[in-house]
Amino acid sequence: QKEVEQNSGPLSVPEGAIASLNCTYSDRGSQSFFWYRQYSGKSPELIMFIYSNGDKEDGRFTAQLNKASQYVSLLIRDSQPSDSATYLCAVKGYSSASKIIFGSGTRLSIRP
Amino acid sequence: SAVISQKPSRDICQRGTSLTIQCQVDSQVTMMFWYRQQPGQSLTLIATANQGSEATYESGFVIDKFPISRPNLTFSTLTVSNMSPEDSSIYLCSVEADSYEQYFGPGTRLTVT
Repeated sequence: QKEVEQNSGPLSVPEGAIASLNCTYSDRGSQSFFWYRQYSGKSPELIMFIYSNGDKEDGRFTAQLNKASQYVSLLIRDSQPSDSATYLCAVKGYSSASKIIFGSGTRLSIRP
Repeated sequence: SAVISQKPSRDICQRGTSLTIQCQVDSQVTMMFWYRQQPGQSLTLIATANQGSEATYESGFVIDKFPISRPNLTFSTLTVSNMSPEDSSIYLCSVEADSYEQYFGPGTRLTVT
């Protein structure tokens, strides 16, 4: 069974610090990796996607992928209270017909 | 990214009744999905809806309980039939974009009394 694992948290980070969110996946053939942010009472919002090994930066967000270790992470620099949310990791397999598998999410709390 | 709307945004329904949720996308998409999310839980895929074919249901979900229509490339409906309090949840539709990322609608919050 293909799985995506995340620490449920809550992860508490002081304002201005770097928040590091981690995700591991079981399907070695996975090719597409996504991070979603979900505020309480709202639907998931795509914030990053990455397909190749290495880092991808977008503003304060950096996604990191290591396919050999089956590990993907999200770094949030200069954390703000508005970053407090649940972050969902999602992974899609090689085939276009494969489904996206979502992790259970990590709750992030940014303390002022 | 796609702009997705859902109707209704919330509803309170009586046990034994049915509710149809509509999902409208502002562009043509091949793949649409229906998810359920219980409070504090992650997403559970109900079914995949492709235009022109029968919906594909995940384990634990059946067509009689959750019939789905996909009449064109911008619209889908999910019906929750013969509802019980256990069906109280948030129902989300999503679409798959060209790079396989999914975008979600705002969700429908259903409460069954």
